[in-house]
Amino acid sequence: AQSVSQHNHHVILSEAASLELGCNYSYGGTVNLFWYVQYPGQHLQLLLKYFSGDPLVKGIKGFEAEFIKSKFSFNLRKPSVQWSDTAEYFCAVTAGYSGAGSYQLTFGKGTKLSVIP
Amino acid sequence: DGGITQSPKYLFRKEGQNVTLSCEQNLNHDAMYWYRQDPGQGLRLIYYSQIVNDFQKGDIAEGYSVSREKKESFPLTVTSAQKNPTAFYLCASRKSGTDGAFFGQGTRLTVV
Repeated sequence: AQSVSQHNHHVILSEAASLELGCNYSYGGTVNLFWYVQYPGQHLQLLLKYFSGDPLVKGIKGFEAEFIKSKFSFNLRKPSVQWSDTAEYFCAVTAGYSGAGSYQLTFGKGTKLSVIP
Repeated sequence: DGGITQSPKYLFRKEGQNVTLSCEQNLNHDAMYWYRQDPGQGLRLIYYSQIVNDFQKGDIAEGYSVSREKKESFPLTVTSAQKNPTAFYLCASRKSGTDGAFFGQGTRLTVV
């Protein structure tokens, strides 16, 4: 079964600082990887996803993530954060083949990001 | 507008009663999901369904039941066997195994 680890529970940054949130997954085969964001009082939204090809994927609002297969990682980055990026961020994984395993979508525990103006 | 509708937004029940949470989608997605979100626990998968009349247990299925009689609907019943039912419940749907999931606004269940 797959699992996801997000090591940072709460990250506090000043505006304009660079962001990197860690995500490591546990699964022996190919994977599809996702980052979601939950702004205060809002529903979860997809930031970006990786399923094949270029390991550096770009998402909405200036976010990007890099898939490093050898490290089982999919870290989220943003060069310069804004106060409006304050939210909770979740990494998720599914098995990367078509079939039953590709439908089990497993999330990490999330990382709260607080950006100080 | 296409989307996922969860109702009600807030729900209160007495201990020992079963309660059913509604989830409807008009996105024509095959797969639907139920998650439970608790502070510091992230999203934990309760049940998921890839197709009508089929569903699988997730990581924390004990004390919960689901049905998938229609493509658009995936109700979750929280039974009296669930030892700690007070939580925020999220429903989601996906078009396929490689697509991202769309989430509803959630139902906050409080059992007193």
